[in-house]
This record gives sequence, C-alpha cells and structure tokens, in this order.
Amino acid sequence: DAKTTQPTSMDCAEGRAANLPCNHSTISGNEYVYWYRQIHSQGPQYIIHGLKNNETNEMASLIITEDRKSSTLILPHATLRDTAVYYCIVRAVIQGAQKLVFGQGTRLTINP
Amino acid sequence: SQTIHQWPATLVQPVGSPLSLECTVEGTSNPNLYWYRQAAGRGLQLLFYSVGIGQISSEVPQNLSASRPQDRQFILSSKKLLLSDSGFYLCAWSRQGASRGFGYTFGSGTRLTVV
Repeated sequence: DAKTTQPTSMDCAEGRAANLPCNHSTISGNEYVYWYRQIHSQGPQYIIHGLKNNETNEMASLIITEDRKSSTLILPHATLRDTAVYYCIVRAVIQGAQKLVFGQGTRLTINP
Repeated sequence: SQTIHQWPATLVQPVGSPLSLECTVEGTSNPNLYWYRQAAGRGLQLLFYSVGIGQISSEVPQNLSASRPQDRQFILSSKKLLLSDSGFYLCAWSRQGASRGFGYTFGSGTRLTVV
C-alpha cells in the first residue's frame, strides 16, 4: 500500500479556505486518493476521491499534482462544524476488496 | 438507498467475558464488509474484511474473530475479552469488485470498554 504523510494538526479561521496537504510519493498509477474525515466519536465520513484530475463536489475540492505524488484537500469556506481529523488514503485493491489503510490524519481545528 | 446499522452503540464488558458485535447493511447485495478498530487517541486499524458469505480475511493476529453468516451481516466476536480489546469498533461496507470510485460507508460505531 502506498503510504501517505500528513501534518499532525492545522488551524484555520472560520470562513477562510482550509488547505490540507498530503504526500503520497509511492502511489501507483491505478491507485485512487481518498479523503475522509472523522468528527469526534463518529464513524469516518467520505469527502472526495480522485485519480489524476482535480475533483470538486459540494463538500470540497481535491487538487492532485501532475506527478500524483501529492494532493491538497480544500474546504473553501470552513465552518466550526468542519473541525475533525482528516485522513488522506491511497486505496489498495486486494482480491476484490478495497482496503483503506488509515494513517494518523490531520487534526483540523476551525477557530471562530 | 443503502444504510448500515451497527449495535450496540456502547458496551461495557468485564475481562474474560465474550463479545458479539453485529453489523448489517440494507439496500445493496453482495457488499464487501469490513471491521475496523480505533484505540483511544489512535488511528483506525483494519481488523477483518469479507468479500462474501463465509469468506473472512484477517489483517492482524488478535483475540477477535469475524463471521459472515448472511450476505449483509457481519459479526465481530471474542470468546474472552482482554483489557486491550477496548476501543471504538467500526463496521463499513463497499461495493464489490475493484470498481473505480467506490469508497467505504461506515457505521456509527460501538464504543467497547473492557473493565
């Protein structure tokens, strides 16, 4: 499985854009990058995923570098409810099952 | 729409007692099913995954076992709980196969405290 590296923690002011970086320098050509977040005492919530191209949905945008060795999750207008641990994951497919290996993630705190 | 149910939400069990956590998925067929554990202050660790009835793959050696008696039912068990089994247990499902673009949907979790 490709490993990912994320900062341990980040702070962002409410209403500003939160940019969460992730390094995945050993990613393979057919591996997707997924982002999940976990609000305290809840199960992780899917945010977005991508392969090569930048992606955007109602929650966030995902920017993947051309060499695919890193990516950035962007929350365009952060709110207090976005305070959570954010996980960057490279998906591995083993015998038809998708194994998502979670690292330590980035603890994002949105400040009022 | 698909839903995933996990129960109980909270459980306090004495050391040496048995454990059974249940997870069911509705609205889909032949899902991949997963059990994760999150110890206090730690990341999520994949314990087991299953691609079909009776098919269980274990990721780490441990005091726990998993079973899939029905297509959409996944059970996590232990014969004798240890203090180290305490944690937040999460069930998840994903669509079958290596289809692109499908991630996991997680249940709401069971917080287990072994005393």
